[in-house]
Amino acid sequence: DQQVKQNSPSLSVQEGRISILNCDYTNSMFDYFLWYKKYPAEGPTFLISISSIKDKNEDGRFTVFLNKSAKHLSLHIVPSQPGDSAVYFCAASKGAQKLVFGQGTRLTINP
Amino acid sequence: SQTIHQWPATLVQPVGSPLSLECTVEGTSNPNLYWYRQAAGRGLQLLFYSVGIGQISSEVPQNLSASRPQDRQFILSSKKLLLSDSGFYLCAWSRPPDHEQYFGPGTRLTVT
Repeated sequence: DQQVKQNSPSLSVQEGRISILNCDYTNSMFDYFLWYKKYPAEGPTFLISISSIKDKNEDGRFTVFLNKSAKHLSLHIVPSQPGDSAVYFCAASKGAQKLVFGQGTRLTINP
Repeated sequence: SQTIHQWPATLVQPVGSPLSLECTVEGTSNPNLYWYRQAAGRGLQLLFYSVGIGQISSEVPQNLSASRPQDRQFILSSKKLLLSDSGFYLCAWSRPPDHEQYFGPGTRLTVT
């Protein structure tokens, strides 16, 4: 049972434009959501997170939106830069012990 | 600041051989510790987590085991490796009650 899903395995965006990565979840008990960025052969790097009591969190070029009624969250990157090319994972937790990860979306930023 | 170490970075082992991967965290105390595996083209699968010395929770029945002999040391082991154990193994830590987990550099294991 895939509780966290990233339905787009890949996304290609032109440099300078907005990148939007999407994530859906099924468990309404999740109370915290996170986004990670991963380069090949490296560990994931924490990017940004959001509590279920909020619907938006912003950190520089990165904004995460949460729509609890739709059980959907998204990560917006504006403007997109070549260094943003990586695999992005969304994750969800119920209590601060375990994270459930999506399958990841490979983002490619084209010059 | 906190640092997480994993070794070795890469490992090639024959089927049936034992395994020991080590993870250590510096700069924090009483962390939660985690072992994940990423199979080729797949997401991150939680294998084990620990909230304290000697306390291990297993998420997926498998050929692997974990131990936490010291507060900031987490070890992943196997007595006999299978081909299906190949993958990228990641250790992570978190500071309760925070949700954020921070990952090590990973170990690429190839079982031949």
